[in-house]
Amino acid sequence: AQSVTQLGSHVSVSEGALVLLRCNYSSSVPPYLFWYVQYPNQGLQLLLKYTSAATLVKGINGFEAEFKKSETSFHLTKPSAHMSDAAEYFCAVSDPYNQGGKLIFGQGTELSVKP
Amino acid sequence: ETGVTQTPRHLVMGMTNKKSLKCEQHLGHNAMYWYKQSAKKPLELMFVYNFKEQTENNSVPSRFSPECPNISHLFLQLHTLQPEDSALYLCASSQDSRGSGGYTDTQYFGPGTRLTVL
Repeated sequence: AQSVTQLGSHVSVSEGALVLLRCNYSSSVPPYLFWYVQYPNQGLQLLLKYTSAATLVKGINGFEAEFKKSETSFHLTKPSAHMSDAAEYFCAVSDPYNQGGKLIFGQGTELSVKP
Repeated sequence: ETGVTQTPRHLVMGMTNKKSLKCEQHLGHNAMYWYKQSAKKPLELMFVYNFKEQTENNSVPSRFSPECPNISHLFLQLHTLQPEDSALYLCASSQDSRGSGGYTDTQYFGPGTRLTVL
């Protein structure tokens, strides 16, 4: 079975500081991995996804994530936080070899950005 | 309208009421999903429809009844709900849930319906 663990339910950074949101996964097969963002009163929006091509994935709004198989991690980073980045972020995993494989979401990390 | 829309955005209902949530996607997708988002819990997949056929029911109680009259519309009928059913209900769509991409096709989410059951 697949699972996702997001370390830290709440992360606070200062504007201009590095953003690091942690995601570790468990999967018996090479997974597909996703980061979604949810702004207040909105649905989820895809930030980026890893589908077994390049291990460093660039997404929208300056975010990127690196797939590290040895660490079973897919951490999300952004060099310089902006106030508009304040939102909840979800990591998700899927089994690409199983057409019944669902997206399994982590519990989410709420990012606060201080001025 | 573009993307995925959901109505109503907020709903308060008693335990004996019957209500319906509506989702519409304007993306030309073939698969639609219902998710439940409760506070402090991961998103829970409830139902999946692909080309109007239900392909997934994730052990959802029968008080939730989905309907998919066409590939652009998805409804969730609610009947005799419990207070613990209060949550944000999210609809999503993707190109296909059973194609070569499976569930890995990018899912596009609506803004959700905030449901409160009294």
